[in-house]
Amino acid sequence: RKEVEQDPGPFNVPEGATVAFNCTYSNSASQSFFWYRQDCRKEPKLLMSVYSSGNEDGRFTAQLNRASQYISLLIRDSKLSDSATYLCVVKAGSARQLTFGSGTQLTVLP
Amino acid sequence: DVKVTQSSRYLVKRTGEKVFLECVQDMDHENMFWYRQDPGLGLRLIYFSYDVKMKEKGDIPEGYSVSREKKERFSLILESASTNQTSMYLCASSWAQHSSYNEQFFGPGTRLTVL
Repeated sequence: RKEVEQDPGPFNVPEGATVAFNCTYSNSASQSFFWYRQDCRKEPKLLMSVYSSGNEDGRFTAQLNRASQYISLLIRDSKLSDSATYLCVVKAGSARQLTFGSGTQLTVLP
Repeated sequence: DVKVTQSSRYLVKRTGEKVFLECVQDMDHENMFWYRQDPGLGLRLIYFSYDVKMKEKGDIPEGYSVSREKKERFSLILESASTNQTSMYLCASSWAQHSSYNEQFFGPGTRLTVL
């Protein structure tokens, strides 16, 4: 079983739609959680950290459920520029390294 | 702005050749990482380093070695390239473990093809 699992998609949604991505992690020692974004043929970049209480950054909302070992990302009012692969990332408390999911591909259609 | 640079964007090598991939960061980060990225498999950690001359194996170190002689530079070495090492290689850097700020900054990647 992979340490971080994501639905690979692709998700094809119209502009203005709301779309949600889910991610599960297997290591109960995981302490830090993130969503990274990777545009086609580009490097991954941090989109947002995920906090226990849930957090919002503009149109993006991240949620964490430690009991179910589950992370989500909600994108409201999708824009064409949101088209990318979204990577779910976790870090165990004692680790220096991050563990990446395989990513979920999103295409926002005009 | 943090900048992580990699020596080549595209590289074509032959089986058995020794390959060097170089990565340089300009933010005085303690940690540096080498990943490979393959379709359907995501990013997999090859090696990382948390200090000069220090290194630790990641999830898939076989067939690779690394060198960190200076804080800003982390090299990935393929001693004898094989076709199954054809991949996108990404370097990243971050602040030390004790920092509460865990973001990793990535270089643009090197697409290596081994013929």
